Amino acid sequence: QQKVQQSPESLIVPEGGMASLNCTSSDRNVDYFWWYRQHSGKSPKMLMSIFSNGEKEEGRFTVHLNKASLHTSLHIRDSQPSDSALYLCAASNNYAQGLTFGLGTRVSVFP
Amino acid sequence: EAAVTQSPRNKVTVTGGNVTLSCRQTNSHNYMYWYRQDTGHGLRLIHYSYGAGNLQIGDVPDGYKATRTTQEDFFLLLELASPSQTSLYFCASSGTSNTEVFFGKGTRLTVV
Repeated sequence: QQKVQQSPESLIVPEGGMASLNCTSSDRNVDYFWWYRQHSGKSPKMLMSIFSNGEKEEGRFTVHLNKASLHTSLHIRDSQPSDSALYLCAASNNYAQGLTFGLGTRVSVFP
Repeated sequence: EAAVTQSPRNKVTVTGGNVTLSCRQTNSHNYMYWYRQDTGHGLRLIHYSYGAGNLQIGDVPDGYKATRTTQEDFFLLLELASPSQTSLYFCASSGTSNTEVFFGKGTRLTVV
């Protein structure tokens, strides 16, 4: 079973709409979470990181973290066709030892 | 922007063949990683390294060796390639000043 579970598997969002993605770790040792975005045929690139309880906003992207439940969520507002990609959640208790990734949520934004 | 360069970008080999995937980073990063990405399994860590001469085992190391010859260079070796090792391989690096992991463009390996 995946140690990092993401939902939903896929999401279709109208342009200008809101996309909400979820991620939970089953490893109680995890302390840190990241969100990466991977466009088709490209390599993953970090979107945001979150290490403390609460919320963090960068432009149209907002992440939440609840460390007690090891749950993080990513929200994309005013979605654009260029946001169509695979969104990967990653977790670790020591990033130097590598990240554990979920299977991802594939987001499709249609005009 | 951090630079991680992988070569070759595509490789086809036969079962039982010997393959070396190369990775060079020019970011002065201490940490380097090899991942494989497969549908249904996602990105999985094969091996990683804290610096030249150091090697750590990841989550899916069987059938792979790795070697970190310098701060910049990290190699992944498949000495007896099998069809199950057909995959997209990513090299990545990260430093001590922030936690972002930078990925190379990937090597698509096909074992026939």
